[in-house]
Amino acid sequence: AQSVSQHNHHVILSEAASLELGCNYSYGGTVNLFWYVQYPGQHLQLLLKYFSGDPLVKGIKGFEAEFIKSKFSFNLRKPSVQWSDTAEYFCAVRGAGGSYIPTFGRGTSLIVHP
Amino acid sequence: DGGITQSPKYLFRKEGQNVTLSCEQNLNHDAMYWYRQDPGQGLRLIYYSQIVNDFQKGDIAEGYSVSREKKESFPLTVTSAQKNPTAFYLCASSVTGQGQSVGTFGSGTRLTVV
Repeated sequence: AQSVSQHNHHVILSEAASLELGCNYSYGGTVNLFWYVQYPGQHLQLLLKYFSGDPLVKGIKGFEAEFIKSKFSFNLRKPSVQWSDTAEYFCAVRGAGGSYIPTFGRGTSLIVHP
Repeated sequence: DGGITQSPKYLFRKEGQNVTLSCEQNLNHDAMYWYRQDPGQGLRLIYYSQIVNDFQKGDIAEGYSVSREKKESFPLTVTSAQKNPTAFYLCASSVTGQGQSVGTFGSGTRLTVV
């Protein structure tokens, strides 16, 4: 069975600080990886995804994530956060080539102070 | 515009009552899913359906039931057997099969048992 671990449950930053949210997964095969974001009062949105190819994936709103296969990691980064990045962030993984059903991490709540 | 519609947005239920949450999609997706979101626990899969008239239990199906009589609709019933039903419920849909499918999420229903 696959599982996802997000190390930081709560992160508080000031605007312009750099962000890195950790995500590790366990799965015995090829994976697809996702980061989703949920802004306050809004629905879950896809930030970025990795299926294959370049392990450095760029998503919306200046976010990027790097897939490091040897470390089973898919950490999310942003060089300079904004107050509007305040949200909950979820990492998700699924076995490649199968149905969509991903396994989600527990989420990281990010608060950015202006 | 295509998308997923969940209704109602807020729902209150008395203990001992069953309640049904609606999920409709016009994306022509074959697969539909129900997740439960609790603070600090991420999203957990309740039920999913990959084709009309067929569905499978997810990780936390006890106390819930679903039906899939139409491709567009996947209602979730929270029964009185669900011991802790107060939560945020998310519906999602996706294409199935291999490929780079990603899911689309609805805006959620917040259920409160009073």
